[in-house]
Amino acid sequence: GDSVTQMEGPVTLSEEAFLTINCTYTATGYPSLFWYVQYPGEGLQLLLKATKADDKGSNKGFEATYRKETTSFHLEKGSVQVSDSAVYFCALSAPWEDSNYQLIWGAGTKLIIKP
Amino acid sequence: NAGVTQTPKFQVLKTGQSMTLQCAQDMNHEYMSWYRQDPGMGLRLIHYSVGAGITDQGEVPNGYNVSRSTTEDFPLRLLSAAPSQTSVYFCASSASGLAGADTGELFFGEGSRLTVL
Repeated sequence: GDSVTQMEGPVTLSEEAFLTINCTYTATGYPSLFWYVQYPGEGLQLLLKATKADDKGSNKGFEATYRKETTSFHLEKGSVQVSDSAVYFCALSAPWEDSNYQLIWGAGTKLIIKP
Repeated sequence: NAGVTQTPKFQVLKTGQSMTLQCAQDMNHEYMSWYRQDPGMGLRLIHYSVGAGITDQGEVPNGYNVSRSTTEDFPLRLLSAAPSQTSVYFCASSASGLAGADTGELFFGEGSRLTVL
């Protein structure tokens, strides 16, 4: 079945460092891909998405490119801030019953940014 | 704007006890769902609803019941709690499908951390 694999955390970086969080997937068909973020004490919220190959999603300085050839959707940011400390989830949309789609989730990667 | 509200945030139960996790949304979304999050695993779909009066099972429904009498509310009931149900539970809603197909956006509550002893 469809699946998402994320790098294990926690990932600890200093402020202004470059960030990459790896995400790879297996899927039949051509899923949409998502990154969600969960800040401490809050629910998950959509960070960015890409719906087809070579699409680049971007938001709040974060970027991810849908790479069909490597089945990857790595999250990057050029200069992280303490406020980026959170748990990041990669997900893909997969067919479910009755023409619905559901999200298949990675395990999440905790990011810790030190000042 | 409250969004999706879950209660309680924390709960400790003994094996065999029952309880209800509450979820309410004020965005008039048709789609609502419950997920559980376990260490080292992604979120897994427990039950979902595509509208008032309509519910269905997700990936891991055993031991849980749901109902959807109104558009706003989608409670999750644990019938006889077991230690395997120790988890963090998230409620989510969407205007367009379980995956928020049109916008790609699910709206989540803050989560309910349940411990079963």
